[in-house]
Amino acid sequence: KAGVTQTPRYLIKTRGQQVTLSCSPISGHRSVSWYQQTPGQGLQFLFEYFSETQRNKGNFPGRFSGRQFSNSRSEMNVSTLELGDSALYLCASSLVAALGELFFGEGSRLTVL
Amino acid sequence: AQSVAQPEDQVNVAEGNPLTVKCTYSVSGNPYLFWYVQYPNRGLQFLLKYITGDNLVKGSYGFEAEFNKSQTSFHLKKPSALVSDSALYFCAVNYGNMLTFGGGTRLMVKP
Repeated sequence: KAGVTQTPRYLIKTRGQQVTLSCSPISGHRSVSWYQQTPGQGLQFLFEYFSETQRNKGNFPGRFSGRQFSNSRSEMNVSTLELGDSALYLCASSLVAALGELFFGEGSRLTVL
Repeated sequence: AQSVAQPEDQVNVAEGNPLTVKCTYSVSGNPYLFWYVQYPNRGLQFLLKYITGDNLVKGSYGFEAEFNKSQTSFHLKKPSALVSDSALYFCAVNYGNMLTFGGGTRLMVKP
């Protein structure tokens, strides 16, 4: 069974640009969550989608958005990039998010210059 | 609000010795608690979880964790450490379909 796939793995952007990250969950998983990992703030929850509906959103500005498609694939978008957005963005999928056993992808490492 | 604390940034242990990585939590209601491990340049991997039942939970790679309600702790343990256990370990609590993670503890196992 294929794992969670995130693309791209690495990307470099400049301040003010926008970026879109993609996540393909494990087949059959309908819940997709996104987390931001930085050395200073650690792992922070961005949002969670289930059957194309955003069920939870973390404490991030509106520049961070996401969506989920009917095939459970998900994208997140960050507009007007700031230097502080440099981070590893992790996607995780699960059958039932409430049980917390998440399967993580290897992440997309974003560097903002 | 729920929170998780990992009081040690790093734990050093010799190979073959027992290891403990500490975690304390603060939640309202019954906690769903988890341990994840992260190897360099990789995503997180699930190790084990406590939902209900026995206070001693066994997980992957020989790890186990002890849930202690009175001390609000969920420490990760392994009887005999391996060099390959060296990684970053995260404790987490689930609330409302989202995980809140501790700051992480780097485990260094020396040969």
